[in-house]
Amino acid sequence: AQSVTQLDSQVPVFEEAPVELRCNYSSSVSVYLFWYVQYPNQGLQLLLKYLSGSTLVKGINGFEAEFNKSQTSFHLRKPSVHISDTAEYFCAVSDRTGANNLFFGTGTRLTVIP
Amino acid sequence: EPEVTQTPSHQVTQMGQEVILRCVPISNHLYFYWYRQILGQKVEFLVSFYNNEISEKSEIFDDQFSVERPDGSNFTLKIRSTKLEDSAMYFCASGRGEVTEAFFGQGTRLTVV
Repeated sequence: AQSVTQLDSQVPVFEEAPVELRCNYSSSVSVYLFWYVQYPNQGLQLLLKYLSGSTLVKGINGFEAEFNKSQTSFHLRKPSVHISDTAEYFCAVSDRTGANNLFFGTGTRLTVIP
Repeated sequence: EPEVTQTPSHQVTQMGQEVILRCVPISNHLYFYWYRQILGQKVEFLVSFYNNEISEKSEIFDDQFSVERPDGSNFTLKIRSTKLEDSAMYFCASGRGEVTEAFFGQGTRLTVV
């Protein structure tokens, strides 16, 4: 079974500062990894995903994440945040062996302070 | 840009009543999903649907729940006899492949009173 841990429930950060949202996972099999963003009153939108290949993945809105197999991590980073990045961010994993459902973390609320 | 649409956005129902949550997935997608998010908790997988049958379901998806794709465009989640603990945001999602990007709808907030 898979599980996802997002250690930080809330992350406040000043506008134009860098941010890192942490995600660790556990799984007995290889996984696919995802970051989703949820803006207020909206659904979940995919930011980026890691399926295979380069461990550094670039997504939309200037976000990137790095897959670290030895540390079982998939942290999300952005070098300079904007007010519009204020949202809830969810890390998720999916079993590579054929299961097609996503296991989500509890989410990190990113608040960008002007 | 095509998107997954869910109706209604908010539904209030009395305990014990049946509810049907509706979703229109993206037209060329083949895989369909329901997730739920109880307030303050993580998003949880309920069920996946492919080729007109359930391909996987979680422990949450008990006999009170059912899914249907009645007309080739809609994808519905039915809860036969709602309980207070069914109150949650329910998300529909669809995808082209078995493990590819899942596109989520905006959700239906179900409140059971």
